[in-house]
Amino acid sequence: DQQVKQNSPSLSVQEGRISILNCDYTNSMFDYFLWYKKYPAEGPTFLISISSIKDKNEDGRFTVFLNKSAKHLSLHIVPSQPGDSAVYFCAASVGNTGKLIFGQGTTLQVKP
Amino acid sequence: DSGVTQTPKHLITATGQRVTLRCSPRSGDLSVYWYQQSLDQGLQFLIQYYNGEERAKGNILERFSAQQFPDLHSELNLSSLELGDSALYFCASSVEGGSVTDTQYFGPGTRLTVL
Repeated sequence: DQQVKQNSPSLSVQEGRISILNCDYTNSMFDYFLWYKKYPAEGPTFLISISSIKDKNEDGRFTVFLNKSAKHLSLHIVPSQPGDSAVYFCAASVGNTGKLIFGQGTTLQVKP
Repeated sequence: DSGVTQTPKHLITATGQRVTLRCSPRSGDLSVYWYQQSLDQGLQFLIQYYNGEERAKGNILERFSAQQFPDLHSELNLSSLELGDSALYFCASSVEGGSVTDTQYFGPGTRLTVL
C-alpha cells in the first residue's frame, strides 16, 4: 500500500519559470512532511519541511503548500534553475518516530 | 558532503550469499536509519537504531538484520541473497531520532547487485 504517492514520474520546465511538484498521501495520521532532492550518485538531501499544523512554509526559492483536507502537498520552485534538475522525493512521518515514508520521486529537468 | 559515509560503494555478489554494508553517521548523531531503494521505487524504510538500541522497524525481511555498535557505526547484514535484493541501500543519521523535526542526513548509498 503506497501511502505517499508522486504521480508524475517526470517534469520538464524552462529556466526562470515555476516548477510545481505534487504529492498525495492517504494516511491522515501523518503530521510532518518533507521534500528531499537527490542528484545521481548521491544520497537524498533535505530541502524543506512542513508541519501538519501549517499550510505553507517558505525557504528562499522553495515553498511547500499543504492541503490537509485534500491530503495533498506541493513544492513550488521559483524561479527554476538548471541546477535544480534532480529527483525530488516527498516524504511523510508520524508521531515521535524517525520513520519516513517516501514517494516514488519525480525527476525534474530545468532547461536553459 | 552530508558527513555520513557508507562502504562499500558497489557490491556484486551471487544469490544465496551474505553481505555486510557499513555506515558511519555524522559526528554527534546518535540515530542511524537504513533505507532500501529498488528500481523505480521510492526509499523504503528498513530499520532505525538509536544509541545502540533498535527504535523502529519497517518492512525489513527476516533475512536482513542490523546493529549499531558502541562507536555508533552501523552494519546492515543481508543473507541468503535473492535477485530481488538488488537495490541501492542508504544509511541516514540524525541527532536524536525521536522528533519529526530531527533532520535525517543521507549517505551516498551502497549499490548491491545480486547475480
